[in-house]
Amino acid sequence: DAGITQSPRHKVTETGTPVTLRCHQTENHRYMYWYRQDPGHGLRLIHYSYGVKDTDKGEVSDGYSVSRSKTEDFLLTLESATSSQTSVYFCAISGRDTGELFFGEGSRLTVL
Amino acid sequence: GQQLNQSPQSMFIQEGEDVSMNCTSSSIFNTWLWYKQEPGEGPVLLIALYKAGELTSNGRLTAQFGITRKDSFLNISASIPSDVGIYFCAGQGSNSGYALNFGKGTSLLVTP
Repeated sequence: DAGITQSPRHKVTETGTPVTLRCHQTENHRYMYWYRQDPGHGLRLIHYSYGVKDTDKGEVSDGYSVSRSKTEDFLLTLESATSSQTSVYFCAISGRDTGELFFGEGSRLTVL
Repeated sequence: GQQLNQSPQSMFIQEGEDVSMNCTSSSIFNTWLWYKQEPGEGPVLLIALYKAGELTSNGRLTAQFGITRKDSFLNISASIPSDVGIYFCAGQGSNSGYALNFGKGTSLLVTP
C-alpha cells in the first residue's frame, strides 16, 4: 500500500452545506492531487499541490478549494455543496515528476 | 485538460483469450501509464512507459509507448477471471504539476 488514507470514505450531505475531505499520506511525497470520478468522464483533476502551501487548479476546480499546511495532509473543501458535486473523490500522491501516481481508496460523496 | 480517447469502451471475453486496448491523444505526452481499477478501490498502476517506442511487459501485460508520443496500447495475454476491472490509460504532459490526464476507461469482463 502507498500509505494514503482518505476520510471520510462515505458522506451524505445536503445542498448548500460545506464539506471537507481529507487526504493523509505517510510517504513524505511532494506531489498530491485530488481527482473526481464520474461515469462517462473518467478521472478529472480538481486541484493539485507541489509542496506545502503550494497549490494550483486543475481541469474542474470551480466550486472547490484546497489547502496543504503540512506535507502529509491535503484537504479538499466544497464551500457550498451542490448536487453536481456528487461523485467519488480520489486523492493521489507522487514522489517524483514521472507521473507515477498512487491513489487512495476514494471518498464517495452524495449531495442531496 | 488534454483529451485521451480510449477504446474499446468495454470488452466481454472468455478466459484464455488475449485482450488489446488502446489510447490516442491529439497532444504529445512525456509518459504513458496504464492503471487498473476494481470496484470500490482506487486505480492501481500496472505499467509506466517513459520513451517513445518503448515496449514494456509486466507478467501477462504488455504495453507500448507510440512513436509519435500520441498513443499507447495495452495487451493482456491469456486472460483470467481476476483480470476483470476497468483499465485506464493516462498521459503525463509538462503542465499541472505532473498530473495525469486519463482516458475514460475500458471495462473488461472475463467469463470462466
